[in-house]
Order: sequence, then structure tokens, then C-alpha cells
Amino acid sequence: AQTVTQSQPEMSVQEAETVTLSCTYDTSESDYYLFWYKQPPSRQMILVIRQEAYKQQNATENRFSVNFQKAAKSFSLKISDSQLGDAAMYFCAYRSARTSGSRLTFGEGTQLTVNP
Amino acid sequence: NAGVMQNPRHLVRRRGQEARLRCSPMKGHSHVYWYRQLPEEGLKFMVYLQKENIIDESGMPKERFSAEFPKEGPSILRIQQVVRGDSAAYFCASSPSTGGVSQETQYFGPGTRLLVL
Repeated sequence: AQTVTQSQPEMSVQEAETVTLSCTYDTSESDYYLFWYKQPPSRQMILVIRQEAYKQQNATENRFSVNFQKAAKSFSLKISDSQLGDAAMYFCAYRSARTSGSRLTFGEGTQLTVNP
Repeated sequence: NAGVMQNPRHLVRRRGQEARLRCSPMKGHSHVYWYRQLPEEGLKFMVYLQKENIIDESGMPKERFSAEFPKEGPSILRIQQVVRGDSAAYFCASSPSTGGVSQETQYFGPGTRLLVL
């Protein structure tokens, strides 16, 4: 079974600075997808960014980018120019590409605080 | 384009009562997933459904929990004889499909917060 580990329960960053959230995963599969979701105080789950394992290029969405290291099974999220609205719980998630409709497996989350 | 809709947003039940949680997927999505988030924890998969079919229910407790996604209407997660340990946030997600095959990204609803007294 796949597992996802987020080793940082809490992180903080100053507004306008950069922060990196860590995520590692364990799988025997070669084809899969990785995601970062954000859960603000409203508890809504919002997709931040996704990465296909077969792509070597790291995904980027505006101020959000990932560092995907397939051999190391690492998938970190970098938030540049942090804003107060980035404060939230961030979840890393894994999905197999082997079968259609596979479940998402989530890490335990990292609570990000943005200090003004 | 409306997102994934869930209702009610908050539900309070006494021990032994039944809880019914509803989920309407995004327009054009025919794949629905239910996840549970216990306090201070990440989301855990419960069940995956397509219209009129349960595809994967391996994450769902064997007793008291059931799910359906009828041909018409929303998906329903039903919890019978609720206990305090059922108190959690229940999230529904949907994904689009191409040719009947689910695409990889799941979009989440706002969740239903169930409190069992």
C-alpha cells in the first residue's frame, strides 16, 4: 500500500518570503500522480498543484512550484512571495495511475502560518 | 460552472440516529469519492462510486455505513446508528471522465461536519 508522509506538522513564514513544505511517499509503482491541496480555515479542500510522475519537468502554478525527485520519492511544495491568504493546512496526496478512479492517499498535513 | 455541492454543511445527530449526507458532483462528472477527516487528521478514503455502481468500498467500515450514487440525483452517504466516533468532516470529491475512464484530478466539495452528541 502507498503511504504519504509529511514530516512538518507546522511551518511559519514571513509575508513576502519563501517557504518549502516537505512530502515523501512510498510506492512500488512507476506511474502515478501527486497533488498538493490547501485547506484554509473554511475547511474547503482546494487543489494547489499536481504533478504527473512520467514528467521530468517540475509543475508550476504562479507562486507555487514543486520539486519532484522521483528516485528519492520526494515531492516538496515551494511557495514564493508568501501572502496572508496562503495560511492554511497543506496536504500532499498520491494517486495511482494504474487503475482508473484510484483513491487519493493523503499525508497528515502541514499547518502553515504566514506572519505579517 | 458550479463546483461540487454537499449538504447539509453541518449535521447534528444523537447517538443511535441516522445521518444522511448528500453530494452532487460537478456538472459532467460521473465519478464520486467520499473521504472522512477525523479531527486533527488527514483525509481517509472511504468509497468510490460511479452512477449506479460501487467501484471500491474498501475504505468504508463494514457495518452501519453505506453509499449509493443513483442514476438520478445526488450521491448519498448513509450512517446508521451513529456513535460519537463518527463525528468528523465528510468530504465528497468528483472527477471528470473521458470515454468512461476517470481522469486523475479530484475536485472537492465543502464537506459536511457531522457532530454526534
